[in-house]
Amino acid sequence: KNQVEQSPQSLIILEGKNCTLQCNYTVSPFSNLRWYKQDTGRGPVSLTIMTFSENTKSNGRYTATLDADTKQSSLHITASQLSDSASYICVVSAKGAGSYQLTFGKGTKLSVIP
Amino acid sequence: DTGVSQNPRHKITKRGQNVTFRCDPISEHNRLYWYRQTLGQGPEFLTYFQNEAQLEKSRLLSDRFSAERPKGSFSTLEIQRTEQGDSAMYLCASSRGGSNQPQHFGDGTRLSIL
Repeated sequence: KNQVEQSPQSLIILEGKNCTLQCNYTVSPFSNLRWYKQDTGRGPVSLTIMTFSENTKSNGRYTATLDADTKQSSLHITASQLSDSASYICVVSAKGAGSYQLTFGKGTKLSVIP
Repeated sequence: DTGVSQNPRHKITKRGQNVTFRCDPISEHNRLYWYRQTLGQGPEFLTYFQNEAQLEKSRLLSDRFSAERPKGSFSTLEIQRTEQGDSAMYLCASSRGGSNQPQHFGDGTRLSIL
């Protein structure tokens, strides 16, 4: 069964600090891995998409890494801001049947405090 | 790019009633997806359209659920004879064709069953 596990479940950090969120997956065959940011009461917003051949991708202060051999990904947030408070969801796409075959993690809830 | 629009944002109804939600995707996107999300969980795939054709339905989509995309533009999701367990956020997303295209989500319809 395809699964995506995220850790930690929740995280509290001080404004200005860095943090790293983890994602392990068992989706096969692998197509791509996505990180989404979801503010409370809003829909998810795409941060990065990485294919098998990419091992890092940045979007502003967000940097995602992918190790397809160990089936692990991380999302690093630099110089956190209060507006980074949200849930961060790791999503893995399986190859072969179209982009609708997405497996979502439960998300990491990040709280950035002043 | 005006974004994915969902209506209504909130729906409160009594158990046993029928409800219908609408999703207007980004105009040039030919793919449309419906998801359900409960508190503390990632979105769960319900169904997927390419243009007007419904190509995949999750086993989560019982016979009380039906989705349409009659002209390949907006879509509706209807739930008949609602049950307490149907209470959730219903998210719609759209994308261009291609397995590595990001899905753009609307802000969802929150359904509460009394």
